[in-house]
Amino acid sequence: QVQLQESGPGLVKPSQTLSLSCSVSGGSISSGNYYWSWIRQPAGKGLEWIGRMYTSGITKYNPSLKSRVTISLDTSKNQFSLRLDSVTAADTAVYYCARGYPPHGYGSETYYWFDSWGQGTLVTVSS
Amino acid sequence: DIVMTQSPLSLPVTPGESASISCRSSRSLYYNGFNYLDWYLQRPGQSPQLLIFVGSNRASGVPDRFSGSGSGTDFTLKISRVEAEDVGVYYCMQALEAPLTFGGGTKVEIK
Repeated sequence: QVQLQESGPGLVKPSQTLSLSCSVSGGSISSGNYYWSWIRQPAGKGLEWIGRMYTSGITKYNPSLKSRVTISLDTSKNQFSLRLDSVTAADTAVYYCARGYPPHGYGSETYYWFDSWGQGTLVTVSS
Repeated sequence: DIVMTQSPLSLPVTPGESASISCRSSRSLYYNGFNYLDWYLQRPGQSPQLLIFVGSNRASGVPDRFSGSGSGTDFTLKISRVEAEDVGVYYCMQALEAPLTFGGGTKVEIK
């Protein structure tokens, strides 16, 4: 059973960079074909997909954040990371890392569901 | 982006009764024989967990009290015989195309 755990600063100043890591245990991040993803949830609000990196290294980001976001894999540490530049108060949220699992036989090579999630980490943007 | 709209916002339910949640998408989610619509439950203080995938298939370990139906742009999650452990916020999510988008959520609570 794979487990994910987010880590990183809980407080970031406006205009600075938010950096989070997601440690993966119970399986290698470089084996299998998964979509390593980030999702966030502002307090009391719904879920927003940030983006993902496929095991091959191909990334896809939410266009609303595309110019500011970078997701990367570090296979030596078995973790993946999120970098969000030029943050504002609107970026205050609980950030989740998740594994996207692509099932076979469901008509699409790019369909995946989230089968494992981290517990989430609150990041507050404030001076 | 595909906009997902859920209703109701809040759903008080008596244990043992059934509950239904509606989810509508701004574009059809039907492609190549499947509806790319998933349902997640976020229990209080927890991360979301998958309940239903491609519209009507229960995820592993999900009780058969949960069922998903619908096609195209209109979908429904039904919970038969609601139990106390079913409280939380239910989200539909379209998985047809990036960016993946979620509905606003429906909070199910026990009366």
